[in-house]
Amino acid sequence: QKEVEQNSGPLSVPEGAIASLNCTYSDRGSQSFFWYRQYSGKSPELIMFIYSNGDKEDGRFTAQLNKASQYVSLLIRDSQPSDSATYLCAVRGNRDDKIIFGKGTRLHILP
Amino acid sequence: DAGITQSPRHKVTETGTPVTLRCHQTENHRYMYWYRQDPGHGLRLIHYSYGVKDTDKGEVSDGYSVSRSKTEDFLLTLESATSSQTSVYFCAISGNPGQGETQYFGPGTRLLVL
Repeated sequence: QKEVEQNSGPLSVPEGAIASLNCTYSDRGSQSFFWYRQYSGKSPELIMFIYSNGDKEDGRFTAQLNKASQYVSLLIRDSQPSDSATYLCAVRGNRDDKIIFGKGTRLHILP
Repeated sequence: DAGITQSPRHKVTETGTPVTLRCHQTENHRYMYWYRQDPGHGLRLIHYSYGVKDTDKGEVSDGYSVSRSKTEDFLLTLESATSSQTSVYFCAISGNPGQGETQYFGPGTRLLVL
């Protein structure tokens, strides 16, 4: 059974600091990795995807992938109260038609 | 935002009654998915479709059926609703599987089964 694991949190981070969210996955054949943000009462929205080892930056967000360790992370720089949400890690295998989601990490940015 | 709508957005029903949720897309995407989301369980796949009249089961398909007679519509039916099916239901769409191809979610339907 393919699994994606995340710490449920809540992770509390002071405003302006770096928030670090982590995710591990079980299927070594996984090829694409996604981070979704979900505000309370809303649907998940895609914020980042990555498929090559290393870092990918988009504004204040950086996704990091280490396939050898089966580990993907999301860094949020200069954290803002508006970043308070649940972050879902998701993983897809090569040409798989399904994405496996983690249960999410709740992030709380302290003003 | 991806053109995905769900109807109804909220529904209260009684145990034993049939319920149908509708997902409608305007993106002409091949794949459509139904998930339920519950505290402590995250997003769980119920059924998905990879084309008109082509569907397959997900991890929590018992008690649910689906139909897709047109590219743009994917229906989820609870044949006889139970209280354990109280949940938030999300529809998602995606193109053909490929590097970076992801899923986009609809606004969700909150279902309460009394």
